[in-house]
Amino acid sequence: AQKVTQAQTEISVVEKEDVTLDCVYETRDTTYYLFWYKQPPSGELVFLIRRNSFDEQNEISGRYSWNFQKSTSSFNFTITASQVVDSAVYFCALSEAYSGAGSYQLTFGKGTKLSVIP
Amino acid sequence: NAGVTQTPKFRVLKTGQSMTLLCAQDMNHEYMYWYRQDPGMGLRLIHYSVGEGTTAKGEVPDGYNVSRLKKQNFLLGLESAAPSQTSVYFCASSRIPTGVYSGANVLTFGAGSRLTVL
Repeated sequence: AQKVTQAQTEISVVEKEDVTLDCVYETRDTTYYLFWYKQPPSGELVFLIRRNSFDEQNEISGRYSWNFQKSTSSFNFTITASQVVDSAVYFCALSEAYSGAGSYQLTFGKGTKLSVIP
Repeated sequence: NAGVTQTPKFRVLKTGQSMTLLCAQDMNHEYMYWYRQDPGMGLRLIHYSVGEGTTAKGEVPDGYNVSRLKKQNFLLGLESAAPSQTSVYFCASSRIPTGVYSGANVLTFGAGSRLTVL
């Protein structure tokens, strides 16, 4: 069974601080995919990143960076120089690889609510 | 491009009433999903469909029925609403991978439907 744990329920930071959102996952699959989604106060879910289990390279996109470590089953997300617009709930999710048999489900963590205070 | 459209956006029901949530996507996606989001619980999969005319149960299917008569539409029905079904419902869709092990799908979500059952 797949499981995603986001231990941080809520985090508050002051604007311009760096913040890291933790994500720990469990799966028996050797091939899998990890995702981060953002849910701003308006409520929609916005895709941020997808990584596969074979690619442990860290990724940076502007102020966002992701640290994937298979050894610790973690896929952490760091926001550098946070801004008020980063205030949102962030979800980490896990999916098995497509094997040609039916759909593969996205298992979500419970989310981390980030509040960036001006 | 509309993407994924959910109707209605808000609805209040009395216990025992029935209703249908409609999800429509214009991206020609094969896969469609219904999730529910509850405080502190993240998103949980209710039902999903891997193509027109197919449906399957997710993690929390009890009390819900679904139908996929047309590829672009995925309906979620509540036959006899209960207060425990008060939630925000998200529909999502994704394309089918182009080949085995070619990658996990990125889900495109609708804006959500907030349902309150009194």
